[in-house]
Amino acid sequence: NAGVMQNPRHLVRRRGQEARLRCSPMKGHSHVYWYRQLPEEGLKFMVYLQKENIIDESGMPKERFSAEFPKEGPSILRIQQVVRGDSAAYFCASSPPADLKNEQFFGPGTRLTVL
Amino acid sequence: LAKTTQPISMDSYEGQEVNITCSHNNIATNDYITWYQQFPSQGPRFIIQGYKTKVTNEVASLFIPADRKSSTLSLPRVSLSDTAVYYCLVGDMEKSSGDKLTFGTGTRLAVRP
Repeated sequence: NAGVMQNPRHLVRRRGQEARLRCSPMKGHSHVYWYRQLPEEGLKFMVYLQKENIIDESGMPKERFSAEFPKEGPSILRIQQVVRGDSAAYFCASSPPADLKNEQFFGPGTRLTVL
Repeated sequence: LAKTTQPISMDSYEGQEVNITCSHNNIATNDYITWYQQFPSQGPRFIIQGYKTKVTNEVASLFIPADRKSSTLSLPRVSLSDTAVYYCLVGDMEKSSGDKLTFGTGTRLAVRP
């Protein structure tokens, strides 16, 4: 059973470009979470999605950021018109639909660098 | 979400037992306590979770006193490969809360030979 997969692992963008980060959850997992981590800091929650639904986006910046988890295919975190402050590691995690333990399984992350 | 406080860093030597304590004075009745481990350039990895008393698995033990206002992660006989950042989190057991995890800055454990 493959773990959570994220791609690309490294992404370089110039200011003003768009960044698309992909996350394929573990097989059988229908819950996906996105987190952002700045150097030397902990992870900060961004958004929680289930298939075709955004459940909690309280950690998402109001502008330029969006996320989706379509019925088919990976979850996508999209950042429009990137700025240098968007440079960070973005982690995706998934969990099964009926997990009382609330354990999340994390992917390896995508490191975004904005030039 | 209950706020957690843990030491910023700890040093240890190979073969020693390491205990990392986390304070969560405002823990709520439905909150459980979870510890994650993160290596450089990797995503966090679940270590252990508990609600009260003691929990043990093949990796670590988790001690939770009766008042649940703190918890201690115990790593027996650490090795160099245990050098990582350890995060203590508290979260609501109710799925309807959104399941989001709140990570603090964690404890950087450095294991020396």
